[in-house]
Amino acid sequence: DADVTQTPRNRITKTGKRIMLECSQTKGHDRMYWYRQDPGLGLRLIYYSFDVKDINKGEISDGYSVSRQAQAKFSLSLESAIPNQTALYFCATSRGGAGETQYFGPGTRLLVL
Amino acid sequence: RKEVEQDPGPFNVPEGATVAFNCTYSNSASQSFFWYRQDCRKEPKLLMSVYSSGNEDGRFTAQLNRASQYISLLIRDSKLSDSATYLCVVIISSTGNQFYFGTGTSLTVIP
Repeated sequence: DADVTQTPRNRITKTGKRIMLECSQTKGHDRMYWYRQDPGLGLRLIYYSFDVKDINKGEISDGYSVSRQAQAKFSLSLESAIPNQTALYFCATSRGGAGETQYFGPGTRLLVL
Repeated sequence: RKEVEQDPGPFNVPEGATVAFNCTYSNSASQSFFWYRQDCRKEPKLLMSVYSSGNEDGRFTAQLNRASQYISLLIRDSKLSDSATYLCVVIISSTGNQFYFGTGTSLTVIP
């Protein structure tokens, strides 16, 4: 089984709709992240959380919100989706500490019409 | 100015060739460095960490030059399976240990 899972894997929605992307991990990591990836722009950080009670904005948090329901779960919401939120969204986790690395989920491909 | 800059390529090389990618970073507080590999429409995966003394993993060699603030990745004897996008990643301590990703360098190995 994958250590970091994301649901849904693909989603098509309409402008103005609310949508939630979910991420779960079995790695036991405290730190979780949401990124979006657009062609030519690379990975950009939306939100991150270092533990259940910690939520931090990333580079491009406007239009997004998150919830850290448990150590293993980190959800990303688009309250009112717009077409320029069409992108590939990745969840990632890390252990923290010296030499930490990030482990990514398989991604959610979102299309906003 | 971006924290991490990479030449996007594409690099198209024949099988068996040696190819090198460079990546520059702007923040001297960068403390950890990595190369990730990303296949088309898939998630990034850690290829290797980059240590100050340089490190090698099979056909892959990574080096760090703190004075000039760049890291490099050398791939020897390229295989078709090396075709992917290679992402340079740095962790910057002054930003709460956030990860910063380059936009990636595209490599295609040609038969």
